[in-house]
Amino acid sequence: DTGVSQDPRHKITKRGQNVTFRCDPISEHNRLYWYRQTLGQGPEFLTYFQNEAQLEKSRLLSDRFSAERPKGSFSTLEIQRTEQGDSAMYLCASSLLGGTANSPLHFGNGTRLTVT
Amino acid sequence: QKEVEQNSGPLSVPEGAIASLNCTYSDRGSQSFFWYRQYSGKSPELIMFIYSNGDKEDGRFTAQLNKASQYVSLLIRDSQPSDSATYLCAANTGGFKTIFGAGTRLFVKA
Repeated sequence: DTGVSQDPRHKITKRGQNVTFRCDPISEHNRLYWYRQTLGQGPEFLTYFQNEAQLEKSRLLSDRFSAERPKGSFSTLEIQRTEQGDSAMYLCASSLLGGTANSPLHFGNGTRLTVT
Repeated sequence: QKEVEQNSGPLSVPEGAIASLNCTYSDRGSQSFFWYRQYSGKSPELIMFIYSNGDKEDGRFTAQLNKASQYVSLLIRDSQPSDSATYLCAANTGGFKTIFGAGTRLFVKA
């Protein structure tokens, strides 16, 4: 399987706990994105990496959120002190810079977070 | 005003009919447009992308772009019950960020 891989698929946590999600992009893709999606809404942009550099963070991303992409390969998204409002599907996507202009995003299966 | 707007639906069509999904965008600098299909509980799946004014066909799907009107549409011919899903329209201004609409729910009745 050469698609985008996310782990875990589901995470249930208690309010106040920290959680970490992992994303493995398509191997030749140098752009990696995190989006968040809640019921009835489209995906909302959170952050973007080009290789290992985090080039943009949305205002949606509070100080409790941090993302890394060491060595420009896999990425992690950590949420500290989770709140019930963090409950959502967290989607990772990757694309190729330098290929077709504005290459489409390819999404992983997502991590569904439930904060109780 | 949302950057990418879609009618939330639901849009209901009988099996075999043409489903027409519409989308408008606010940023005239948008250059690339994408349609994704999303089944309930699943992640978005790319169906088509279009960059130039006019029509682009791929199998039963046709994407249409009118940059003057800031309008994008997706036609699904010979609709099947398996096409029942939420369809997301997305736009990219040429930078790194792709903006999504809230999606239109489509029901194809057998």
